[in-house]
Amino acid sequence: DTAVSQTPKYLVTQMGNDKSIKCEQNLGHDTMYWYKQDSKKFLKIMFSYNNKELIINETVPNRFSPKSPDKAHLNLHINSLELGDSAVYFCASSQSQQGEAGELFFGEGSRLTVL
Amino acid sequence: SQKIEQNSEALNIQEGKTATLTCNYTNYSPAYLQWYRQDPGRGPVFLLLIRENEKEKRKERLKVTFDTTLKQSLFHITASQPADSATYLCALSRNSGYSTLTFGKGTMLLVSP
Repeated sequence: DTAVSQTPKYLVTQMGNDKSIKCEQNLGHDTMYWYKQDSKKFLKIMFSYNNKELIINETVPNRFSPKSPDKAHLNLHINSLELGDSAVYFCASSQSQQGEAGELFFGEGSRLTVL
Repeated sequence: SQKIEQNSEALNIQEGKTATLTCNYTNYSPAYLQWYRQDPGRGPVFLLLIRENEKEKRKERLKVTFDTTLKQSLFHITASQPADSATYLCALSRNSGYSTLTFGKGTMLLVSP
């Protein structure tokens, strides 16, 4: 059983389109994240949700809108895609204790290419 | 500004030798530090966590040290094998109400037979 699963694995789309990436974790964790890894392999936090509540929102354009329908799911919707949005997007989860992130479990990534 | 620095150049070593990777940070006071392994096309995988009050942590062939005075962590793989070839990322905790991790850019390790 895959612990953290993301779909789709690959996404190729035109500039200006809107797309979504879905993430699900079956680990029973209470915190989920979206990270972006750009072409230079730099892994940067975008959002963090704890029990469906947004707790971290880094400086991300508001074209990016996360949604957590329940604590096992965290989706990412991107409006009006731009070339610079091309990257690999990783979903992750952890069991937070007393505010500590703990060990992160990552999905396999969703490679987004904007043409 | 806060920075996490890992060697951007790949580390090439011979099988059987000890690989040592460095993670330096500035303008951070992390409560703990983690190391991850990332293979091409895959998500990062957790290896070890070390807290600010711990000097050293071991797990099988892996050893991590954490020097909060030098603001540095060293990651060692003893008796390295070609299967250890990957990119290794260090990540620091960042407390802002709920903590999260900030990652370095990673160092690629290549172990040749």
